[in-house]
Amino acid sequence: KAGVTQTPRYLIKTRGQQVTLSCSPISGHRSVSWYQQTPGQGLQFLFEYFSETQRNKGNFPGRFSGRQFSNSRSEMNVSTLELGDSALYLCASSLANYDSTDTQYFGPGTRLTVL
Amino acid sequence: AQKITQTQPGMFVQEKEAVTLDCTYDTSDPSYGLFWYKQPSSGEMIFLIYQGSYDQQNATEGRYSLNFQKARKSANLVISASQLGDSAMYFCAMREDSGGSNYKLTFGKGTLLTVNP
Repeated sequence: KAGVTQTPRYLIKTRGQQVTLSCSPISGHRSVSWYQQTPGQGLQFLFEYFSETQRNKGNFPGRFSGRQFSNSRSEMNVSTLELGDSALYLCASSLANYDSTDTQYFGPGTRLTVL
Repeated sequence: AQKITQTQPGMFVQEKEAVTLDCTYDTSDPSYGLFWYKQPSSGEMIFLIYQGSYDQQNATEGRYSLNFQKARKSANLVISASQLGDSAMYFCAMREDSGGSNYKLTFGKGTLLTVNP
């Protein structure tokens, strides 16, 4: 079974631009979560989607948004990019079967550099 | 207050020896899950092992075991027979199952493990 895939793997943008990152979950997984990883702040939760609905949201400004499609694929968008948005963005998927052992499996990440 | 604390920024171990990576957590939720992930320099987070708050026995997965001490709120990862390929960043994470946040993982700062030949 294929793992979580993220595209693109690397991205360079300039301040003020916007960017869209894509995530395809493991087949059969219904929940997709996004995390930002920076050297200073570590790994921080952005948001989680299930059945095309955002269920949880982290403490990030409104410039960060996302959506999920009917096939569970997800995109996240960052508008008006700032230098501090440079980070590794990780997507994770899980079955969301309400089993306490439900595990999030991560993709390889998209490394975003804002110049 | 930090919910997940990993006090060892870096650890060194000789190949074939065992190593313990520390993790303490803080939660008032009676139901929670604890996870360990490995992140090589390539960036991908690799799931290693899971421990539920109600599990009576310590979790084991191959060379990985989790030393779960609920009263102390610790969930240390033990890697037996270290291999060169174990060199990576290791993250402890917690999922709190109440309050609608059961798909949010809170991570520690990580421990960089270096395995020496």
